[in-house]
Amino acid sequence: DQQVKQNSPSLSVQEGRISILNCDYTNSMFDYFLWYKKYPAEGPTFLISISSIKDKNEDGRFTVFLNKSAKHLSLHIVPSQPGDSAVYFCAASDGGANSKLTFGKGITLSVRP
Amino acid sequence: EADIYQTPRYLVIGTGKKITLECSQTMGHDKMYWYQQDPGMELHLIHYSYGVNSTEKGDLSSESTVSRIRTEHFPLTLESARPSHTSQYLCASRETGANYGYTFGSGTRLTVV
Repeated sequence: DQQVKQNSPSLSVQEGRISILNCDYTNSMFDYFLWYKKYPAEGPTFLISISSIKDKNEDGRFTVFLNKSAKHLSLHIVPSQPGDSAVYFCAASDGGANSKLTFGKGITLSVRP
Repeated sequence: EADIYQTPRYLVIGTGKKITLECSQTMGHDKMYWYQQDPGMELHLIHYSYGVNSTEKGDLSSESTVSRIRTEHFPLTLESARPSHTSQYLCASRETGANYGYTFGSGTRLTVV
């Protein structure tokens, strides 16, 4: 039973355009959400996060939006660059000192030059 | 520069062999985790530790075992490798306290032939 769902396995966008990566969750106890970026044969690296008390968090070209009522979050990358091509994992935590992250299956983003 | 190190990066080994995947971190983190990930799939938690002499099994059943004798070291052992163990194994750690993201190592790509 997947608690974090990334239903689109892949996305292809033109360089300079916006990339929108979506993520849905089912566990209403989740209150902290993170996006990780992963290159092949490497470990995931932290990209951006958002707490459930916010609906938006921005860091440079990356913005994460959270819609708690819909249990949906999205990562926007503007403008997209070829170096952004990677697998992006959405992850969620139910908070607390001993919380663990639950990951989605990831979305493969390809940015075309 | 990575503060969490995994060795080996790649390992091809025959069925029935005993193997140990190494993971060390220099950040003094109490919490450490092992995830298993196959292409196109989510990261599955197989083991975690909240400190020295503390180990727990994760959400995904695994035939591997772990130990935590020192804070910085969290090795994973397979007593008898099988082809079904072929996967990428990712080690992570994080600071104590809520809402801190994980820092991942570069992973070990294991192939059992």
